[in-house]
Amino acid sequence: EVQLVQSGAEVKKPGESLKISCKGSGYSFTSYWIGWVRQMPGKGLEWMGIIYPGDSDTRYSPSFQGQVTISADKSISTAYLQWSSLKASDTAMYYCACTYYYDSSGYYRFDYWGQGTLVTVSS
Amino acid sequence: QSALTQPRSVSGSPGQSVTISCTGTSSDVGGYNYVSWYQQHPGKAPKLMIYDVSKRPSGVPDRFSGSKSGNTASLTISGLQAEDEADYYCCSYAGSYTSRVFGGGTKLTVL
Repeated sequence: EVQLVQSGAEVKKPGESLKISCKGSGYSFTSYWIGWVRQMPGKGLEWMGIIYPGDSDTRYSPSFQGQVTISADKSISTAYLQWSSLKASDTAMYYCACTYYYDSSGYYRFDYWGQGTLVTVSS
Repeated sequence: QSALTQPRSVSGSPGQSVTISCTGTSSDVGGYNYVSWYQQHPGKAPKLMIYDVSKRPSGVPDRFSGSKSGNTASLTISGLQAEDEADYYCCSYAGSYTSRVFGGGTKLTVL
């Protein structure tokens, strides 16, 4: 069974850095794309970007390019989302999600989701 | 890119059918057959319900169906059940490696 387990909630101050994680289990980590989706409080879903852990091919939404960094460590089946300098507007729930790399249309959807990591940025 | 347009809310009684629309442009919904739908219960992660416009993942009841006409995709839920009450989001590929766009979400209330 494919499972994605995300790191716990974070409370940070503006300007601080942060790296949250998403650990995959129950499947071959390098056979799936892993992506990140933002959900601001009371708002809808936003696609942030995606990585293929097999070769670290990473693609960002134009809205998030330069604002966050997506990475993965295939040796421990874990993907990451990081910020170098948080802003109050980064306050949101962040979900990781994955989809089978070898499915020709898998790239266009997310089949499995993590439970979410709540990031709160406040002075 | 702009979010896809969904009604803010729809409602129906148990056993009835409801349809949620998702309107985009020829650059997203109308241009590709990569529309997916996600169900999100309060405080929970989204769940994939429909992909590639009309395909259902294993385990999703056949009461859920998807379709597309022009720039508008639709999710139909027949035989409404209480557990279907949730937020529903559409999502479409929008023409580049990095372009996906979600709808604003629709709250389904089962009366």
